[in-house]
Amino acid sequence: TQLLEQSPQFLSIQEGENLTVYCNSSSVFSSLQWYRQEPGEGPVLLVTVVTGGEVKKLKRLTFQFGDARKDSSLHITAAQPGDTGLYLCVTTDSWGKFQFGAGTQVVVTP
Amino acid sequence: ETGVTQTPRHLVMGMTNKKSLKCEQHLGHNAMYWYKQSAKKPLELMFVYSLEERVENNSVPSRFSPECPNSSHLFLHLHTLQPEDSALYLCASSQRGAGYEQYFGPGTRLTVT
Repeated sequence: TQLLEQSPQFLSIQEGENLTVYCNSSSVFSSLQWYRQEPGEGPVLLVTVVTGGEVKKLKRLTFQFGDARKDSSLHITAAQPGDTGLYLCVTTDSWGKFQFGAGTQVVVTP
Repeated sequence: ETGVTQTPRHLVMGMTNKKSLKCEQHLGHNAMYWYKQSAKKPLELMFVYSLEERVENNSVPSRFSPECPNSSHLFLHLHTLQPEDSALYLCASSQRGAGYEQYFGPGTRLTVT
């Protein structure tokens, strides 16, 4: 059974600081998505990465896919209160089976 | 606007009630999903429909009954629920085989009293 871990579980920072959250799997996956979920709402897709070593940027967010396609990181530069939310990673294996991580709760205070 | 709508947004029901959750997707996708999200737990996949056929049922109790009349609509019929079924129920849709990116609705917050 593929094990998908996200770390840290919780992160509280001040506005303007940088942060990084991680997603690690025990198995190689075909693709990985990052989502952000705000309280009382559904997750919103941020990015999909499929190639080992791939780096994608979305404004102040930088997503990196590990070379071995078993891990990923999300880095936020100069965090803002609007970045507050639950960050979820989802991996899909070569058979189309997907798995959600438990998420990292990020709180950015003004 | 995610293109996936869910109604109602909030629902309180007794253990003997029967109710239904509705999901509609406007994205032209061919797969739809029901998830349960409880506090401090990962999303739990309940059901998957692909081309209106149920392709996955993850050991969900029979008091939850899904229905997919067409590729745009998905229902979750609820009856004789338990208090531990209280959770956020999320619907999602995707285009199977195209990156598996899922688009979620806003969820229905269900409270069973």
